[in-house]
Amino acid sequence: SYVLTQPPSVSVAPGQTARIACGGDNIGIKTVHWYQQKSGQAPVVVIYHDNDRPSGIPERFSGSNSGDTAALTISRVEAGDEADYYCQVWDSRNDHPVFGGGTKLTVL
Amino acid sequence: QVQLVQSGAEVKKPGASVRVSCKTSGYTFTNYMIHWVRQAPGQGLEWMGWINTGNGNTKYSQKFQGRVTITRDTSATTAYMEMRSLRSEDTAVFYCTRGDDVGASDSWGQGTLVTVSS
Repeated sequence: SYVLTQPPSVSVAPGQTARIACGGDNIGIKTVHWYQQKSGQAPVVVIYHDNDRPSGIPERFSGSNSGDTAALTISRVEAGDEADYYCQVWDSRNDHPVFGGGTKLTVL
Repeated sequence: QVQLVQSGAEVKKPGASVRVSCKTSGYTFTNYMIHWVRQAPGQGLEWMGWINTGNGNTKYSQKFQGRVTITRDTSATTAYMEMRSLRSEDTAVFYCTRGDDVGASDSWGQGTLVTVSS
């Protein structure tokens, strides 16, 4: 099964930029989605199709995907961005979604 | 608007079964897959299986194959997930999600906590 690797944690000061990486074999040819999960809540998609934002998601959230690494970038980080973030792709060989292990974003 | 509303929390004894429902509204039920995702306490998201709500076809993670059954009732626009032979390690929050045509889960239920304890 396809494997996605994320760092367990990322810390950033308010106002700075956070980058959360998601590694996978030739992930650049896949479509990557990103979910935000705040404590005690269900996940919410913040980026889909590599770099599209659903309505209601601030422009501060953006995505990139190339080679073996996709990334979620959050500019001008706010305290309210503190959450767990998960990347996800579709494993076309096995016909099901695969999630990364998740990254806890801490706003210092 | 799109809504997925799940059934309430359950407490089960080891060896029992649980059935969680996912009532959908705000869209054409048979046009989108439904996925089920498990999240154990303090852990990440784990895909369990999906159902093609149009034709009823299903696919399961190897981890849950044989122990989980996903069904749907198109007239009720509701999907169901049944898990059998529960053990303490199955204590988790279970989510249903709507799967779009590029593999994203664009809407999520609120989650159902299933506690397995003797």
